[in-house]
Amino acid sequence: EDQVTQSPEALRLQEGESSSLNCSYTVSGLRGLFWYRQDPGKGPEFLFTLYSAGEEKEKERLKATLTKKESFLHITAPKPEDSATYLCAANSNSGYALNFGKGTSLLVTP
Amino acid sequence: GAVVSQHPSWVICKSGTSVKIECRSLDFQATTMFWYRQFPKQSLMLMATSNEGSKATYEQGVEKDKFLINHASLTLSTLTVTSAHPEDSSFYICSAFPSRGSHEQYFGPGTRLTVT
Repeated sequence: EDQVTQSPEALRLQEGESSSLNCSYTVSGLRGLFWYRQDPGKGPEFLFTLYSAGEEKEKERLKATLTKKESFLHITAPKPEDSATYLCAANSNSGYALNFGKGTSLLVTP
Repeated sequence: GAVVSQHPSWVICKSGTSVKIECRSLDFQATTMFWYRQFPKQSLMLMATSNEGSKATYEQGVEKDKFLINHASLTLSTLTVTSAHPEDSSFYICSAFPSRGSHEQYFGPGTRLTVT
């Protein structure tokens, strides 16, 4: 059974304190690994798609990487506005629906 | 960029009544849309896949007679929660692909349903 597990559940950082969020996945035939940001009461906002091991993508202070078993979302010098829940999702060759992890709730304090 | 809207953004209804939620792709056509449900402090759970011009595909455990999905056009899918009960209170979110060549799904802002 396909599974996506994120850790930690919650993370508190001081502004400027870099860290990484982890997403472990077990998916038969990975079509894509996705990262989304979700603010309270809002729908997920697309960040990245990664398709193959070794791939990396960057956007501002965020960088996503992918191995054969996990993905990392690296946050460099975060700011308070980066506070949100970050969701990881996997898509397998069996269809186009996304299998989401439970998310990491990130709080960045000034 | 790809924009998906939902209406209403929130709704309160009485137990036993039905409520309809609309999901629209504003700047692209979507032959497939997805409906997710999110309970507080939980992640998104796929409910069903909505296909334009054909029947929706429901995930295991989701009652298709309770959650009616209609994908009447390439830009509109609707979810009707029939005979709603308090346990149906949740955050309902739809998503769609902007293009066949991309696997990136773009999500609507969500609809908060409260059943009293």
